[in-house]
Amino acid sequence: SQQGEEDPQALSIQEGENATMNCSYKTSINNLQWYRQNSGRGLVHLILIRSNEREKHSGRLRVTLDTSKKSSSLLITASRAADTASYFCATRRNTPLVFGKGTRLSVIA
Amino acid sequence: GAVVSQHPSRVICKSGTSVKIECRSLDFQATTMFWYRQFPKQSLMLMATSNEGSKATYEQGVEKDKFLINHASLTLSTLTVTSAHPEDSSFYICSAGGGAETQYFGPGTRLLVL
Repeated sequence: SQQGEEDPQALSIQEGENATMNCSYKTSINNLQWYRQNSGRGLVHLILIRSNEREKHSGRLRVTLDTSKKSSSLLITASRAADTASYFCATRRNTPLVFGKGTRLSVIA
Repeated sequence: GAVVSQHPSRVICKSGTSVKIECRSLDFQATTMFWYRQFPKQSLMLMATSNEGSKATYEQGVEKDKFLINHASLTLSTLTVTSAHPEDSSFYICSAGGGAETQYFGPGTRLLVL
């Protein structure tokens, strides 16, 4: 069953702007991961944040995790047209990854 | 990083035929592999967990007789869609467990049933 719910479902921004996507989940987790998927392609792992971590950075990506609210956010700074893709959060708790519905990001040049 | 391959990348078949999709871990051994299905503009839904040397574990609502999974070796799991119908058209993605935190995903197989 799906656990994560991304918000918004779709997001359109101008190149150079920041993009923020949110993810909420229902049960306790060991970690939460963010993936990117270009249209019709496979998944690209972006970042993993463990349940005892609150914030993590990787290049232009910043992920936060609030286990009390069961939510996470992914911030992409200085977006580029190449960032156009669907972004999924996925949670894990001694189980296979369970994916959210995803956010479709469009970055307009 | 670890690599997982899938074959074929794309397949078109006639309704009623069976299609086999292979998932291979190329540089590591995987006792567990996972099969996901993704319909257009939707998320990935876990179909089953493939266990080397034993029966697969299917998620609720997934017909085990329709989606046959075989995990005969530590580097290969196969998913056979039997008697495929147009509603089985989807993007099938496998992943191989890389430990407690990581799953490595294959590039996916797009199935179109006519």
